[in-house]
Amino acid sequence: AQTVTQSQPEMSVQEAETVTLSCTYDTSESDYYLFWYKQPPSRQMILVIRQEAYKQQNATENRFSVNFQKAAKSFSLKISDSQLGDAAMYFCAYRRPKTSGSRLTFGEGTQLTVNP
Amino acid sequence: DTGVSQDPRHKITKRGQNVTFRCDPISEHNRLYWYRQTLGQGPEFLTYFQNEAQLEKSRLLSDRFSAERPKGSFSTLEIQRTEQGDSAMYLCASSFMGENNEQFFGPGTRLTVL
Repeated sequence: AQTVTQSQPEMSVQEAETVTLSCTYDTSESDYYLFWYKQPPSRQMILVIRQEAYKQQNATENRFSVNFQKAAKSFSLKISDSQLGDAAMYFCAYRRPKTSGSRLTFGEGTQLTVNP
Repeated sequence: DTGVSQDPRHKITKRGQNVTFRCDPISEHNRLYWYRQTLGQGPEFLTYFQNEAQLEKSRLLSDRFSAERPKGSFSTLEIQRTEQGDSAMYLCASSFMGENNEQFFGPGTRLTVL
């Protein structure tokens, strides 16, 4: 079974600085998707960024980028120029693309605090 | 369409009572997922539908849980004889079919069992 581990329960960053959130996963599959989701307090979860395992190039979405190390099964999220609105719980998630269900397997989450 | 909606947003019940939650997905989406999230944890998959067919159920979904999507649109999740361990946030998500299918999440229903 696939597992996703986020070893940092809490992280904090100063506004305008850069922070990196860590994620490791375990799978025997060669083809899969990885995601970072953001869950603000009392608000619904939204997709931040996704990475297809067959792509070597790291995904980037504006201030958000990932460092995908397939051999190490590592998938970290870098947030540049942190803003107060980035404060949220962040979840790393895994999905197998070719199963009929495409269920997401989530990590435990990292609570990010942004200090003004 | 403003996204996935869930009703109610909060539910407090006494142990042993039955509860039912509703999820309205994004209208064009043919897949609908239910997840459960306990405090301080990531969501865990419960079940999913493709149109009206329930295609997969997690082992977390005990016999007291039942989900339906009768017309392939909205879905209901019922918990019978609730237990304190059922207290959690129940999240619904929907997506298109296919590999490039981002799941869009609803705001969740927070269940508290006293």
